[in-house]
Amino acid sequence: AQSVTQPDIHITVSEGASLELRCNYSYGATPYLFWYVQSPGQGLQLLLKYFSGDTLVQGIKGFEAEFKRSQSSFNLRKPSVHWSDAAEYFCAVGARGGGNKLTFGTGTQLKVEL
Amino acid sequence: GAGVSQSPRYKVAKRGQDVALRCDPISGHVSLFWYQQALGQGPEFLTYFQNEAQLDKSGLPSDRFFAERPEGSVSTLKIQRTQQEDSAVYLCASSLGQSSYNSPLHFGNGTRLTVT
Repeated sequence: AQSVTQPDIHITVSEGASLELRCNYSYGATPYLFWYVQSPGQGLQLLLKYFSGDTLVQGIKGFEAEFKRSQSSFNLRKPSVHWSDAAEYFCAVGARGGGNKLTFGTGTQLKVEL
Repeated sequence: GAGVSQSPRYKVAKRGQDVALRCDPISGHVSLFWYQQALGQGPEFLTYFQNEAQLDKSGLPSDRFFAERPEGSVSTLKIQRTQQEDSAVYLCASSLGQSSYNSPLHFGNGTRLTVT
């Protein structure tokens, strides 16, 4: 079965600074990979996804993520963080041919200091 | 509304009570999912419907949990004889296509269940 590890529970960055949120997955083949964001009082929103092809994927709100097979990682990055980016971020993996369910990590809470 | 709607927003139940949580997906969405999110955790898959057919219920934690989507639109998650460990936020999500991988998932705001 697949699993996802987000090693950082909390991260604090200053507004305007760069951001990298870590995600490692465990799966026997190349999985489907996703990043979701959950703002207070809001539903989970898809930021970006990786299925195949170019390992650097662009998403909404200026986010990008890079799939690194050798490291089993799918880290999320943003060059310059805005105060409105403060939220909880979840990495998720889906098994190819394994149905529709996603396996989520435990999330990283991002705080942005002004 | 344009999004996935869940009701009630909050539910407090005494241990042993039955509860029913409702999900109104986006109109026309084929796929519907239920996830359970415990405090400080990521969402965990419970069950998946394609139209009215429940194709995967492997995530339901016990036979006290039951979900239905009789007409392929609104879905209800029922929990019988609630226990304290059932306290969590229950999330509903829908997608237009048959695959949540190719067709983006739209999540509702969830129902926060507290069992006392």
